[in-house]
Amino acid sequence: DAGITQSPRHKVTETGTPVTLRCHQTENHRYMYWYRQDPGHGLRLIHYSYGVKDTDKGEVSDGYSVSRSKTEDFLLTLESATSSQTSVYFCAITGTGGDGYTFGSGTRLTVV
Amino acid sequence: KQEVTQIPAALSVPEGENLVLNCSFTDSAIYNLQWFRQDPGKGLTSLLLIQSSQREQTSGRLNASLDKSSGRSTLYIAASQPGDSATYLCAVRSGGGADGLTFGKGTHLIIQP
Repeated sequence: DAGITQSPRHKVTETGTPVTLRCHQTENHRYMYWYRQDPGHGLRLIHYSYGVKDTDKGEVSDGYSVSRSKTEDFLLTLESATSSQTSVYFCAITGTGGDGYTFGSGTRLTVV
Repeated sequence: KQEVTQIPAALSVPEGENLVLNCSFTDSAIYNLQWFRQDPGKGLTSLLLIQSSQREQTSGRLNASLDKSSGRSTLYIAASQPGDSATYLCAVRSGGGADGLTFGKGTHLIIQP
């Protein structure tokens, strides 16, 4: 979707290395989210943000941290990547009230 | 904790058939419900958004209904086409604030030419 972009689209990294994924939005939406998608588990919420510098944990937050220093950018960091973090990561945005969610195109991360 | 279930998990039908995908959720206190489509290796495309006060929404050959009290939603696809082949995901928003979506595991749909 034109209003939300993720980078990189693909990444292969080694176990134990730090990795940062970026989500950028041009919609000025307040809320931003990171999900991971795995076969058999569907989409699960990792972390979310409800404003600049305001973040909270989701269902599967262990091993991940996030930061939001500007409204438009939400970063997801794997401090020390593990093979269990091999997944497809999606960023999403939404406004308040009855707005729907818009998802980015995803980042396919492989930890070897 | 909200749980979302989608039935069937997979469906294969010949082209031209009308079909129904089902979604159920355990907590009826939802804010809205959204249906998405996901093609292999791609992101999620929003199809329909139904607010908790609405009964249905329509877009082209797609119609989604919502029965909040019984915790059910259906996605009706009319005159199916091979291009409709994809995974369809149902997701519930439980609050109007920062609450994330709770997803079902999807229905993998194949339309045979």
